[in-house]
Amino acid sequence: ETGVTQSPTHLIKTRGQQVTLRCSSQSGHNTVSWYQQALGQGPQFIFQYYREEENGRGNFPPRFSGLQFPNYSSELNVNALELDDSALYLCASSRDSLGETQYFGPGTRLLVL
Amino acid sequence: AQSVTQPDIHITVSEGASLELRCNYSYGATPYLFWYVQSPGQGLQLLLKYFSGDTLVQGIKGFEAEFKRSQSSFNLRKPSVHWSDAAEYFCAVGPLDSNYQLIWGAGTKLIIKP
Repeated sequence: ETGVTQSPTHLIKTRGQQVTLRCSSQSGHNTVSWYQQALGQGPQFIFQYYREEENGRGNFPPRFSGLQFPNYSSELNVNALELDDSALYLCASSRDSLGETQYFGPGTRLLVL
Repeated sequence: AQSVTQPDIHITVSEGASLELRCNYSYGATPYLFWYVQSPGQGLQLLLKYFSGDTLVQGIKGFEAEFKRSQSSFNLRKPSVHWSDAAEYFCAVGPLDSNYQLIWGAGTKLIIKP
């Protein structure tokens, strides 16, 4: 059983640019959640995808968008990058049943200059 | 407002000593409760979770946590820490009608003294 993988591991962008982060979910999982973790803070929920549809969203602006593909992998897109977008972006996959554990990938460290 | 508080930013414990990490939450209903651990360069790993039933929950790596409804707390304990336990620990809560949209504490960094 393969775990959750994310790419790239690190990324440097400048303000105003766009970025795409990728996540491959664990086999057998159909739900992917994305979190932003700023330095010294806990993760903040961005949104979740279930069967290719957005299934819940946290307090993030529309320039944060995502996709889920038929194989349940997912992308997080951020447009018009701001300095405050610098953070660790975590992807977690799970089954869709209540009580199912979320399994996290190692994250993508994004630095916006 | 819903929130999770981990009052200790850092805790230093000697190897072999006992450990207790505090977590308090503010939530409108009985939530799911979780403890995760994050080691440098790694993702978050679930230590244990509480949904219902016995309020003392056993997890991996010798950790346990006790849910106290009257105190809105879910403290994490370990009787004897090992150097490999040095990491950041996060408490999180989630709604009973969804295992999504977890609300996270700011974390407690555990430092182990040799």
